[in-house]
Amino acid sequence: EAGVAQSPRYKIIEKRQSVAFWCNPISGHATLYWYQQILGQGPKLLIQFQNNGVVDDSQLPKDRFSAERLKGVDSTLKIQPAKLEDSAVYLCASSLLLAGLDTQYFGPGTRLTVL
Amino acid sequence: QKEVEQNSGPLSVPEGAIASLNCTYSDRGSQSFFWYRQYSGKSPELIMSIYSNGDKEDGRFTAQLNKASQYVSLLIRDSQPSDSATYLCAVNLRSGGSNYKLTFGKGTLLTVNP
Repeated sequence: EAGVAQSPRYKIIEKRQSVAFWCNPISGHATLYWYQQILGQGPKLLIQFQNNGVVDDSQLPKDRFSAERLKGVDSTLKIQPAKLEDSAVYLCASSLLLAGLDTQYFGPGTRLTVL
Repeated sequence: QKEVEQNSGPLSVPEGAIASLNCTYSDRGSQSFFWYRQYSGKSPELIMSIYSNGDKEDGRFTAQLNKASQYVSLLIRDSQPSDSATYLCAVNLRSGGSNYKLTFGKGTLLTVNP
């Protein structure tokens, strides 16, 4: 079974530029998550999709971050404009069931550096 | 109180010893609990999940859950240098309505010395 795919793996941009990340979850998984992991911290949930609807985006900085999940499969996360403090690893995860109670499987992540 | 707290570490144990990792959480209504291992530069990898009070064993790993004390732990027996990693405790906390949000602790860095 293929795992969660993410691209790109690394991205370096200057502040105020925009960037987009892509995620393809495990086939058949209903729920998709985007996390931000700052060095030395645990992952922090940014947004949770159930099929193609948003379940929780309470920690998403909506003035600069946006995300969508078209047709309930792939998802993109965008930052516009980027700030220095956005430097982090962005992790995508998926889980089979709804409601977010079961095991989440993580992709390899995208390491973002904002200069 | 932080939602999910782990002992700060770093934790260093000799090869062959038992490593004990601890975690407390704030929400009595939490129903599912996970331990993830994260090697440097890699993404989190699930090693144990536990849903009921008591112990759950899987090879050299044992997860222990005490919902009354809001406490979950991970024991690693016969620790190996390859176990050296950051261990993340994750708890599904209620986030409104019937939805739950997986919340991570900061992680404990474990080093197993040969």
